[in-house]
Amino acid sequence: GAVVSQHPSRVICKSGTSVKIECRSLDFQATTMFWYRQFPKQSLMLMATSNEGSKATYEQGVEKDKFLINHASLTLSTLTVTSAHPEDSSFYICSARDQGHTGELFFGEGSRLTVL
Amino acid sequence: GENVEQHPSTLSVQEGDSAVIKCTYSDSASNYFPWYKQELGKRPQLIIDIRSNVGEKKDQRIAVTLNKTAKHFSLHITETQPEDSAVYFCAASNNQAGTALIFGKGTTLSVSS
Repeated sequence: GAVVSQHPSRVICKSGTSVKIECRSLDFQATTMFWYRQFPKQSLMLMATSNEGSKATYEQGVEKDKFLINHASLTLSTLTVTSAHPEDSSFYICSARDQGHTGELFFGEGSRLTVL
Repeated sequence: GENVEQHPSTLSVQEGDSAVIKCTYSDSASNYFPWYKQELGKRPQLIIDIRSNVGEKKDQRIAVTLNKTAKHFSLHITETQPEDSAVYFCAASNNQAGTALIFGKGTTLSVSS
């Protein structure tokens, strides 16, 4: 199947700093990528839809100025958590759909963010 | 938008028994219904999916059924094994490139030997 790679897998940062997470589609082009957040023992909650060359679409309740998304190429989307606080600690996971694979959604490995 | 409900939240079975997890969805435009298995700290793994043009799909011990009229779909695992223990998520979308999957809340399956 198609491969989506996410980096870093784990990051620990101090409160108030910013953290960037990268999501790459390695063997297909993705005009759209999706960012999810998963708190412990909870489901994957859609945060935003990242669109190549245009602004991301954010779900209700997700602050666009806090979670900056950039999708500058067909294979790379980045999520920057700005001025991170302990409540932002979570598992962030990106995904993309390869239409060549009958529309299946492929997930990155996920990034575990811990804000001290 | 789409809303997916999943039941039960926890399920404990004995090895060899069957397990059934049920989901309902709200958006009649949804036509793609995957099931994922997630182990702790890892990405979800697709175990089976079904599209709206079929009512049932089977892959060895795993099967999924879909009732579009009632807007519900179910995962059936037969002859459960301890390694089936994990969190299972159902999801729904209209399977277009720009549309995300919306997930149910998950079911923690425990299979005891």
